[in-house]
Amino acid sequence: DQQVKQNSPSLSVQEGRISILNCDYTNSMFDYFLWYKKYPAEGPTFLISISSIKDKNEDGRFTVFLNKSAKHLSLHIVPSQPGDSAVYFCAASGSRAGNQFYFGTGTSLTVIP
Amino acid sequence: EPEVTQTPSHQVTQMGQEVILRCVPISNHLYFYWYRQILGQKVEFLVSFYNNEISEKSEIFDDQFSVERPDGSNFTLKIRSTKLEDSAMYFCASSEGEQAPYFGPGTRLTVT
Repeated sequence: DQQVKQNSPSLSVQEGRISILNCDYTNSMFDYFLWYKKYPAEGPTFLISISSIKDKNEDGRFTVFLNKSAKHLSLHIVPSQPGDSAVYFCAASGSRAGNQFYFGTGTSLTVIP
Repeated sequence: EPEVTQTPSHQVTQMGQEVILRCVPISNHLYFYWYRQILGQKVEFLVSFYNNEISEKSEIFDDQFSVERPDGSNFTLKIRSTKLEDSAMYFCASSEGEQAPYFGPGTRLTVT
């Protein structure tokens, strides 16, 4: 039961260019969305969030866009840096505290110097 | 910067044995979670815990699993009788409320 999907297992981008990571969800009750970055042998690191009352949230080089009608969100990283190379997970939940987050399968981003 | 810590980093156990995974959540956080990631698969929710009781659990979290907050700082996950399929990375996480959970570095559990 894949409620959150990341259809691109991998992405390669040149340093300085934009990275766009995509995520789709099926449950219309989801109203809080997160992006995490993960290095091998480490836990996921929180990057940025967005709630369903917004369609965009920015934090430095990271911007998340939410299209509720399409049940789609995307993470834009600009400019991309080699240190951004990692696996990126999107996660979704109803916003009640303590609710479980449903994770996608991840997209492995490689930023080429 | 405050962080979630987990011990041990790697635990090897024999099938049928009990294991306890330990976590110290961020001190002012009120919600605690366990997630796991089987190699090559996605991160899966196990359980959330608030005010000394389970607030939500998944189908994975059956009678073999239990959680406890034995004191003011530790949060533990116990697996009573481990199976081969319990081999995974187990992540503890904590949050203040509805905000994003912050994850620990994980414990790699290997069941032989």
